[in-house]
Amino acid sequence: GQQLNQSPQSMFIQEGEDVSMNCTSSSIFNTWLWYKQDPGEGPVLLIALYKAGELTSNGRLTAQFGITRKDSFLNISASIPSDVGIYFCAGPITQGGSEKLVFGKGTKLTVNP
Amino acid sequence: NAGVTQTPKFQVLKTGQSMTLQCAQDMNHEYMSWYRQDPGMGLRLIHYSVGAGITDQGEVPNGYNVSRSTTEDFPLRLLSAAPSQTSVYFCASSSGRGYRGYTFGSGTRLTVV
Repeated sequence: GQQLNQSPQSMFIQEGEDVSMNCTSSSIFNTWLWYKQDPGEGPVLLIALYKAGELTSNGRLTAQFGITRKDSFLNISASIPSDVGIYFCAGPITQGGSEKLVFGKGTKLTVNP
Repeated sequence: NAGVTQTPKFQVLKTGQSMTLQCAQDMNHEYMSWYRQDPGMGLRLIHYSVGAGITDQGEVPNGYNVSRSTTEDFPLRLLSAAPSQTSVYFCASSSGRGYRGYTFGSGTRLTVV
């Protein structure tokens, strides 16, 4: 099946540092989604990207849709303790007229105060 | 707004027992999905539905059944629980094609002993 490869798997940073993570696929995606999961909660959508080259921000978060349509990047600037959690990339796959959403394995972020 | 409601939040089953995980959404969303989350594995799709009466298998469907008799509800059935089904289960819904993103419930933590 189609896979989304996220890296790094985990990050340990100091408060105030910037963070970068990425997601790659062997297949082309028409949409890239970035989710955050707080401990004990379900994932929450952070940013949605709809076309190649698109750069979208949500507060201190910035995500980009790669021009090859096979990758996407998420940056967090000036990290704070509440940024702790797991960040997932996701993309929709159309199969036989149905659409399903597939996820990467996530990047676990730890922020030391 | 209730959003996506999952019940129960926690459950312990004995091997071989059956149970149904409930999922309901009040947003009139057509698309609904079930995922399981295991450490280091990300979110893996179990079953999904693009509308009432329509269901399809995801990556890891074995041991699980679903049905979609109404737009609002999408229950997940475990017919004969196995320890390998110990996991956190998330239900999610979307208004349409995946580019709008999915809204997740808060999860059901299932332990099979």
